[in-house]
Amino acid sequence: EAGVVQSPRYKIIEKKQPVAFWCNPISGHNTLYWYRQNLGQGPELLIRYENEEAVDDSQLPKDRFSAERLKGVDSTLKIQPAELGDSAVYLCASSTGLAGQETQYFGPGTRLLVL
Amino acid sequence: SQQGEEDPQALSIQEGENATMNCSYKTSINNLQWYRQNSGRGLVHLILIRSNEREKHSGRLRVTLDTSKKSSSLLITASRAADTASYFCATDAKREYGNKLVFGAGTILRVKS
Repeated sequence: EAGVVQSPRYKIIEKKQPVAFWCNPISGHNTLYWYRQNLGQGPELLIRYENEEAVDDSQLPKDRFSAERLKGVDSTLKIQPAELGDSAVYLCASSTGLAGQETQYFGPGTRLLVL
Repeated sequence: SQQGEEDPQALSIQEGENATMNCSYKTSINNLQWYRQNSGRGLVHLILIRSNEREKHSGRLRVTLDTSKKSSSLLITASRAADTASYFCATDAKREYGNKLVFGAGTILRVKS
């Protein structure tokens, strides 16, 4: 089966510009996650969706970050305006959401560089 | 904030040797998972151990969990050059973290051929 798809793979922008990342989860996976991974660190959760509902967005900087998962499938994460400190890898992951199936499947990530 | 802390931060071994990585965490958990990340790639799930389990095997991987010490270890036996990667533990914590995965900073493993 196809894995989690993310695009673009790389993005370079100037600060104060907007940027958007797209994620297509594994077919049938109800739960979708966006993580941010800074250099030399583990991923940190930004937002978690159960179908189209954001059930945990406590770590999402809401002043500049937004996300949506229309129709409960694909998702978009947006930053507007971007700051230098937003340079990181943005990872999307999905899981079935079923009890006893806690494994998360990660996409390759989008590497963002803000200049 | 990151709950898990891996030790060591970096490990360099010869092909064929065993590699052991440790993870410590702070709160009660439902399960603990280990993931591998190759350079420039996403994370790949390796193994999950539940809070009521003490040891689990998968191929060349052996994971132990000691909930009284809030620690886990990942052992890779007979390492190969292809095992070179970063390894992360992630805790699926109870209530305090809203049942979400919290990752440590990882251990960088280099296997020399």
